[in-house]
Amino acid sequence: KQEVTQIPAALSVPEGENLVLNCSFTDSAIYNLQWFRQDPGKGLTSLLLIQSSQREQTSGRLNASLDKSSGRSTLYIAASQPGDSATYLCAVSSISNFGNEKLTFGTGTRLTIIP
Amino acid sequence: EPEVTQTPSHQVTQMGQEVILRCVPISNHLYFYWYRQILGQKVEFLVSFYNNEISEKSEIFDDQFSVERPDGSNFTLKIRSTKLEDSAMYFCASSRTPTTANEKLFFGSGTQLSVL
Repeated sequence: KQEVTQIPAALSVPEGENLVLNCSFTDSAIYNLQWFRQDPGKGLTSLLLIQSSQREQTSGRLNASLDKSSGRSTLYIAASQPGDSATYLCAVSSISNFGNEKLTFGTGTRLTIIP
Repeated sequence: EPEVTQTPSHQVTQMGQEVILRCVPISNHLYFYWYRQILGQKVEFLVSFYNNEISEKSEIFDDQFSVERPDGSNFTLKIRSTKLEDSAMYFCASSRTPTTANEKLFFGSGTQLSVL
């Protein structure tokens, strides 16, 4: 059974710093990996999606990497801003025997950027 | 950007009561999902739905749960007799394709269900 772990559970950094969030998963037979952002009381916003054949994806100040063989992904946020404060979720997907894609989520890292 | 809409945003109910959570997926999407997140825990898959039938469900999705697409635009999750442990944030999601090979999955903002 796939298990997804995110470390640290919470992180506070001063504005302007670069930071790295970590995600690990136990079963390397994944279809893809996504990073989501969750604001309090809000839905899940997909930030980056990395296909299993890819090594990284970039969007603005965000860069996500994937090392499938070691079961690890990182989300790098450059020049952090107070607006980046949120919970960041990592989710890996697999394809079931029925051909359905199913996401397995980590518990998230709660990020606080200190102005 | 198109949005998945969920109503209500908050629902409070008494234990044993039936609740219906509503979702309006993005209009040209064909694949629909419910996930839930108990406070402080992980987001968990409940059920996937395609072509007017359940394509897959988790062990959480027991006989107390049902899903329906009653009118071609809404997608509902019904809990027949709520229990305290059903208290959670319920997320609806939709996509145009069965996988995210080319397109991402869109999530709604969730319905916070509180069972008293």
